[in-house]
Amino acid sequence: EIVLTQSPGTLSLSPGERATLSCRASQSVSSSYLAWYQHKPGQAPRLLIYGASSRATGIPDRFSGSGSGTDFTLTISRLEPEDFAVYYCQQYGSSPYTFGQGTKLEIK
Amino acid sequence: EVQLVESGGGLVQPGGSLRLSCAASGFTFSNYWMHWVRQAPGKGLVWVSLTSGDGSSTTYADSVKGRFTISRDNAKNTLYLQMNSLRAEDTAVYYCAKQFRYFDPFDYWGQGTLVTVSS
Repeated sequence: EIVLTQSPGTLSLSPGERATLSCRASQSVSSSYLAWYQHKPGQAPRLLIYGASSRATGIPDRFSGSGSGTDFTLTISRLEPEDFAVYYCQQYGSSPYTFGQGTKLEIK
Repeated sequence: EVQLVESGGGLVQPGGSLRLSCAASGFTFSNYWMHWVRQAPGKGLVWVSLTSGDGSSTTYADSVKGRFTISRDNAKNTLYLQMNSLRAEDTAVYYCAKQFRYFDPFDYWGQGTLVTVSS
């Protein structure tokens, strides 16, 4: 099983700032089958990034993903108020599918 | 518009059973792999089970293998999760999610249904 470790656990920033979230895998993620999801309380998780760097339909271009192998990054270039949420990375290249433990992005 | 609506959650005693449903609309249900993912209170997302588009292939997390059964009725556009021998640690919000192919991300999720296992 591929274990995904996200850092930091909590990130406190202000609107307009840049956010950098990290996801490290215990072994190489096949063909960059790495996704990022945004999750707000009481709502459905929302796909942001797939294939490590491709934005999902309707996702603003302030969200970008990068990385390969075992190290991946989600960057939000200029935080908007609606971006404060929990973010999860997920690998979908090998079973069982696994998620990181999440990074909570909170307003400073 | 794509919709996934979970139902069937509730309070159940340890050792009991519950069946969750996920009603799908707005897409060709039989073309999609479907998943159940859960989130225990204060914890992160954990994948539970998957089924292929025709239901012929299923997989389970070790933590639920032998106790949970995933199934689907493509005529009714509905996904199910039969949960038996429930334990306190199964307490969670259960989400269904769709996936176009095996090596695709989960492109749409429902809002979840809460299962509480307690005496």
